[in-house]
Amino acid sequence: DTGVSQDPRHKITKRGQNVTFRCDPISEHNRLYWYRQTLGQGPEFLTYFQNEAQLEKSRLLSDRFSAERPKGSFSTLEIQRTEQGDSAMYLCASSLVLRTGLYEQYFGPGTRLTVT
Amino acid sequence: KNQVEQSPQSLIILEGKNCTLQCNYTVSPFSNLRWYKQDTGRGPVSLTIMTFSENTKSNGRYTATLDADTKQSSLHITASQLSDSASYICVVSASTDKLIFGTGTRLQVFP
Repeated sequence: DTGVSQDPRHKITKRGQNVTFRCDPISEHNRLYWYRQTLGQGPEFLTYFQNEAQLEKSRLLSDRFSAERPKGSFSTLEIQRTEQGDSAMYLCASSLVLRTGLYEQYFGPGTRLTVT
Repeated sequence: KNQVEQSPQSLIILEGKNCTLQCNYTVSPFSNLRWYKQDTGRGPVSLTIMTFSENTKSNGRYTATLDADTKQSSLHITASQLSDSASYICVVSASTDKLIFGTGTRLQVFP
């Protein structure tokens, strides 16, 4: 499978614990994005990388959240001291520039986080 | 504030019927509008991308329209199939790839 992969698919953790998610983008894509999606809502942008550089972070990304993309390949999203409000689906996407100059984003299956 | 609103919130139709989903946006400046299909528990999959100069684009049984003057878009699904049951999300971009998502329309197709 050459699509975007995410690991784990599901994570249940207790409030206050730290969690880390991994995203492996499509190999030739240089842009990688993280989104958060709560039930019944559309995804909300968290941050994105071009190669290894983190170019933008949303206000949603509090200081408990950190994302990295060492060597411009896979990315990790860490949440420290999890809170119940962090329960959501965390989606990763990678993108390729089209002939039109637009970026087509390909999404992974997501990591469902439940904080108890 | 940049916003994307979709209607209806949910829709139930019988297999074989057509349906139309609506999207209104207030994103400025406008770069492009996309429709995504999201199956339950999966990531969104792109159906169409339209720039301001395009007013219609088709992908199989899916046809999207765009009126950049009124800032409205629609997604028409023809001859629905059970596999069309999913959430359909309208996404507007103010730059080449920064996306603003609507809350989606949940479509259920029954036999």
